[in-house]
Amino acid sequence: EAGVVQSPRYKIIEKKQPVAFWCNPISGHNTLYWYLQNLGQGPELLIRYENEEAVDDSQLPKDRFSAERLKGVDSTLKIQPAELGDSAVYLCASSLVEADYNEQFFGPGTRLTVL
Amino acid sequence: GNSVTQMEGPVTLSEEAFLTINCTYTATGYPSLFWYVQYPGEGLQLLLKATKADDKGSNKGFEATYRKETTSFHLEKGSVQVSDSAVYFCALMPSSASKIIFGSGTRLSIRP
Repeated sequence: EAGVVQSPRYKIIEKKQPVAFWCNPISGHNTLYWYLQNLGQGPELLIRYENEEAVDDSQLPKDRFSAERLKGVDSTLKIQPAELGDSAVYLCASSLVEADYNEQFFGPGTRLTVL
Repeated sequence: GNSVTQMEGPVTLSEEAFLTINCTYTATGYPSLFWYVQYPGEGLQLLLKATKADDKGSNKGFEATYRKETTSFHLEKGSVQVSDSAVYFCALMPSSASKIIFGSGTRLSIRP
């Protein structure tokens, strides 16, 4: 079974440019997460989707970040415009919500460098 | 609020040494506790979990026991291998939420 797929794996852009990341979750998983991982830190949740609905976007900086999950399957995270401080790894995860526990499966991440 | 504090790295050990990585947490209610591992160039993988007090999670020779009285979930392995070199993250999921809160990670390097 394929795991969570993310692309691109690496992206280098100039500041003020836009950038987008794509995630395809594990087939059948209804919940999708985007995390931000700064160097030397643990991941922090940006947004969580249940199907098409963003149920927790309280940590998403909405002035420059946006996300969508059309049709409740794959998702795109966008930054416009990018700033130097956005350099980090962006992780996508998915899970199937069950009765008492929903294990999250992580993709390999997209490493963003803003110059 | 909810938070996780884990041992700072890097931790360097010789092969076959005993490993302990300390982790303590702050949470309301009864969170689930996890250890995730990130091997070089790979995504985060769940290593083990415990969902209630006194539960012991185990996998690949690693163990951790959910200690509510000390709010701890220390990771242990009796004999480490070079292939265990990775970054290890302690994490919790609050009982009232689906989000995972991670510690800052501990880099482990094992010398042959």
